[in-house]
Amino acid sequence: DVKVTQSSRYLVKRTGEKVFLECVQDMDHENMFWYRQDPGLGLRLIYFSYDVKMKEKGDIPEGYSVSREKKERFSLILESASTNQTSMYLCASSARQLSYNSPLHFGNGTRLTVT
Amino acid sequence: SQQGEEDPQALSIQEGENATMNCSYKTSINNLQWYRQNSGRGLVHLILIRSNEREKHSGRLRVTLDTSKKSSSLLITASRAADTASYFCATLTDSNYQLIWGAGTKLIIKP
Repeated sequence: DVKVTQSSRYLVKRTGEKVFLECVQDMDHENMFWYRQDPGLGLRLIYFSYDVKMKEKGDIPEGYSVSREKKERFSLILESASTNQTSMYLCASSARQLSYNSPLHFGNGTRLTVT
Repeated sequence: SQQGEEDPQALSIQEGENATMNCSYKTSINNLQWYRQNSGRGLVHLILIRSNEREKHSGRLRVTLDTSKKSSSLLITASRAADTASYFCATLTDSNYQLIWGAGTKLIIKP
């Protein structure tokens, strides 16, 4: 079974802090994704990566950056946290590119509160 | 970006009854996927149906896809309390292979 592990379930940070959200998958998946989930808005893609050191912007990349130094790890960075970044953050991975009908495997999420 | 839309937004039924959720979308798709999310947790993939398929089954789940109407339905038969969750559809566009998510249907199974 694929396991996607997000380092924190709950996180409280102050405005202006630099925040790191870590995600690790154990199935040698090529593709990794970061989403944020807000009530009534569904999931919105922040960044994704199809390979080590490769990253692509999603729909809402502003205020975020990512790092993929190793295949199994994909980090989301909030450069200077703001209150409108309070949200549930979900990491996901897929074995192949989505065009090959490869489903996503999600971590349990990190609920981030910025005060 | 465009979103799929689930209908209804919320559904409450008695244990043992069938639950039907619908998903409509706007663009041409490669596949449509359904996911379940228990409260405060990540999403779990349930079933994927390709654009050239019309119906698919997995255990108590039945998914149909009507590409002419740009809609899909998820049927859960003989519901159980453990089916209480939010259900999301996601469509993979066939133009740029982006996954577009709906806002979800919240399903409550009453014992």
